[in-house]
Amino acid sequence: GAGVSQTPSNKVTEKGKYVELRCDPISGHTALYWYRQSLGQGPEFLIYFQGTGAADDSGLPNDRFFAVRPEGSVSTLKIQRTERGDSAVYLCASSLWAGTYNEQFFGPGTRLTVL
Amino acid sequence: DQQVKQNSPSLSVQEGRISILNCDYTNSMFDYFLWYKKYPAEGPTFLISISSIKDKNEDGRFTVFLNKSAKHLSLHIVPSQPGDSAVYFCAASVGGGADGLTFGKGTHLIIQP
Repeated sequence: GAGVSQTPSNKVTEKGKYVELRCDPISGHTALYWYRQSLGQGPEFLIYFQGTGAADDSGLPNDRFFAVRPEGSVSTLKIQRTERGDSAVYLCASSLWAGTYNEQFFGPGTRLTVL
Repeated sequence: DQQVKQNSPSLSVQEGRISILNCDYTNSMFDYFLWYKKYPAEGPTFLISISSIKDKNEDGRFTVFLNKSAKHLSLHIVPSQPGDSAVYFCAASVGGGADGLTFGKGTHLIIQP
């Protein structure tokens, strides 16, 4: 079956611009997670959804970052007024539900470059 | 502060030998630990996990050991194969993995022929 997909695979933008990154989870998965991976680091948790609601957004670095999941499936991560420090690979993961010992399946990521 | 630490950025092992990757953590609330494998330009792939009520979990060539008193876990790969060359991430979670995972920086494993 299809895994987690993310679009675009690469995004180059200029400082100050607005970007949207999209994640399509595995069909039937109710939990969806966003992570950010900077060069030489491990993935860093940003936010997760159980269904349509954000269950934990404690990892979002500031109010320029926002994510939605209006119908409980596809999610969009939105970054306003991008800064060079936002350059990273943004990873999305999904799991059957946000319950005990459920494996998170990762997508290939979107590489964001802010010039 | 880094709550999950992988102190070896890289490790080189001969094909057929045992690979041992180490991970230390500082948060005593972590109760679920996972290892992910990552190839370039791909997302991390789940390898094996262990809950804090166990001290060992085995799956084929992969075994994870957990030492709670030392806040240390390790991944053993026996025998190592060329396809095992990848970056390995240790991750931990509070609440059995329901929430976001906390990752280490990764160890690049290189299997030499």
